[in-house]
Amino acid sequence: DTEVTQTPKHLVMGMTNKKSLKCEQHMGHRAMYWYKQKAKKPPELMFVYSYEKLSINESVPSRFSPECPNSSLLNLHLHALQPEDSALYLCASSGGAGGYNEQFFGPGTRLTVL
Amino acid sequence: AQSVTQLDSHVSVSEGTPVLLRCNYSSSYSPSLFWYVQHPNKGLQLLLKYTSAATLVKGINGFEAEFKKSETSFHLTKPSAHMSDAAEYFCVVSDPSGYSTLTFGKGTMLLVSP
Repeated sequence: DTEVTQTPKHLVMGMTNKKSLKCEQHMGHRAMYWYKQKAKKPPELMFVYSYEKLSINESVPSRFSPECPNSSLLNLHLHALQPEDSALYLCASSGGAGGYNEQFFGPGTRLTVL
Repeated sequence: AQSVTQLDSHVSVSEGTPVLLRCNYSSSYSPSLFWYVQHPNKGLQLLLKYTSAATLVKGINGFEAEFKKSETSFHLTKPSAHMSDAAEYFCVVSDPSGYSTLTFGKGTMLLVSP
């Protein structure tokens, strides 16, 4: 299985809601990532987990809270988001955290904040 | 520090004609280089990667790229464009010595006309 899956595909939420995005991979990868992508822009790194530990947080606001329950799963908990947080959220995984490892991306969750 | 410059924001070709997407990079180390493709409202798919082996890299769907250290370039080519190649293409550099945090170019939109 060489796939990264993400659920849900689409999410619409109000600014007071709490929701979660889910990402799963079964490739035995030990590094997992969250990216945010705005329209017509490249992805921006948010978080990196290596061996289930948070290793990089790119100064992301606390209304985004990542969680890595096990080596196959990555969640992104959302609370009190702003309309400018509307974007495509991409999850990726790689065999290790070394820079020579290519990252495999999921299809993304399209988030709209009203 | 590393950076990527994609020299064209848009490239238009006719179906059956060659494709050239240009990319220049800057890196303090011997970098790993990747090309990813993103179709509308989809995740990113790896086309090919260079990690200091052969300088001419073959990827999926007939794409290839040549690493030229003297020119700090990693241009993507395909002999004959297909309508399904219309998408956004990202040139990406990674520092092999650290965490595989990717530095993305701004992207090149490839338009293919019949």
